[in-house]
Amino acid sequence: GQNIDQPTEMTATEGAIVQINCTYQTSGFNGLFWYQQHAGEAPTFLSYNVLDGLEEKGRFSSFLSRSKGYSYLLLKELQMKDSASYLCAVTDSNYQLIWGAGTKLIIKP
Amino acid sequence: IAGITQAPTSQILAAGRRMTLRCTQDMRHNAMYWYRQDLGLGLRLIHYSNTAGTTGKGEVPDGYSVSRANTDDFPLTLASAVPSQTSVYFCASSDGTGGSTDTQYFGPGTRLTVL
Repeated sequence: GQNIDQPTEMTATEGAIVQINCTYQTSGFNGLFWYQQHAGEAPTFLSYNVLDGLEEKGRFSSFLSRSKGYSYLLLKELQMKDSASYLCAVTDSNYQLIWGAGTKLIIKP
Repeated sequence: IAGITQAPTSQILAAGRRMTLRCTQDMRHNAMYWYRQDLGLGLRLIHYSNTAGTTGKGEVPDGYSVSRANTDDFPLTLASAVPSQTSVYFCASSDGTGGSTDTQYFGPGTRLTVL
């Protein structure tokens, strides 16, 4: 079966750095997405990786290793507004998007 | 209108009733999707449409139907609601022809409670 694993919840301190991991087992791979979802709101796009390596976008970076079926989202200089759920999603060989359950990130002052 | 709108924002529905959730986008995107999101589970695809006039079944299609008469609208109908359909429903769209690597953009969601 297809599976996306992420930690259920993480806590970090304002101003610090946090890494949210995602491992996947899917039938094929055509890219990996990270979305941010604030409580009670819609998911919004953060990043897309299809090749191995690190993609940097401001305070947020996303890393992919296709051979290991692994990605992480790195958030630097954490702000209170970064408190949200972070969703990992993989496009499989049929180009269907398979979603993880999300990681709830709690930022403390 | 800017982006994707959904209606209603929330609804409480008696079991057995028929309900249509509305979704409209003004981005002229080809593909549209309906997901449900339940606590502790990832987003699950109900139905999708790669382009106007075509629809397909997702992971959890039973009890739901969709239509895509034009590019902008993609309504989701529950023919006879059951309590297990209590969930938050998100509509999304993407610029490609669906199921692709294109970024999906989400509407604000409809919170549905079936009693």
